[in-house]
Amino acid sequence: DAGITQSPRHKVTETGTPVTLRCHQTENHRYMYWYRQDPGHGLRLIHYSYGVKDTDKGEVSDGYSVSRSKTEDFLLTLESATSSQTSVYFCAISPDQQETQYFGPGTRLLVL
Amino acid sequence: AQSVTQPDIHITVSEGASLELRCNYSYGATPYLFWYVQSPGQGLQLLLKYFSGDTLVQGIKGFEAEFKRSQSSFNLRKPSVHWSDAAEYFCAVVAYSSASKIIFGSGTRLSIRP
Repeated sequence: DAGITQSPRHKVTETGTPVTLRCHQTENHRYMYWYRQDPGHGLRLIHYSYGVKDTDKGEVSDGYSVSRSKTEDFLLTLESATSSQTSVYFCAISPDQQETQYFGPGTRLLVL
Repeated sequence: AQSVTQPDIHITVSEGASLELRCNYSYGATPYLFWYVQSPGQGLQLLLKYFSGDTLVQGIKGFEAEFKRSQSSFNLRKPSVHWSDAAEYFCAVVAYSSASKIIFGSGTRLSIRP
């Protein structure tokens, strides 16, 4: 399995609080992605990164920001969490954007 | 805009029976196509992928898929399912362009009848 870890694996937070999820890789892959998975929607791309300090928005980026200061780490921040952001968040990595993506184990986030 | 459609939300098959999961894509050129599987509480695992060449691709766990350009389809098949195949299956497409990103279908949940 590709070396991808996500932390935390589970989190419960309150509406209005900031939350940061971390994705860490040991594969030195250039591309990193953040998805959210919700019933009936499959996986939807939030943001992705194509290099250190290089990021772009996905289809559901509102309310989320990302940062990538090192190749191995990609952070997803919910500046002020809302109940609609309750979801399972997956990080993925790939050597190139047309290549296979390898997924982390996911983070379950509950916003009360 | 590119899109992926998995028309079956939930399928139940008997153990030992054959399986076909449907996937249709919308894109002008030949895309890169993937099938992923997700077991409950787990991340996604790649089953197989098609980039070019032979339109019948073999994957892990005895799965195969066939790319049919004329039908814009990339259906997943398995001749004989096992109880451990119960999971959710996602078809995905990446368009060959510099601004492209992978697009996932909404998934098909597979249940296995003993």
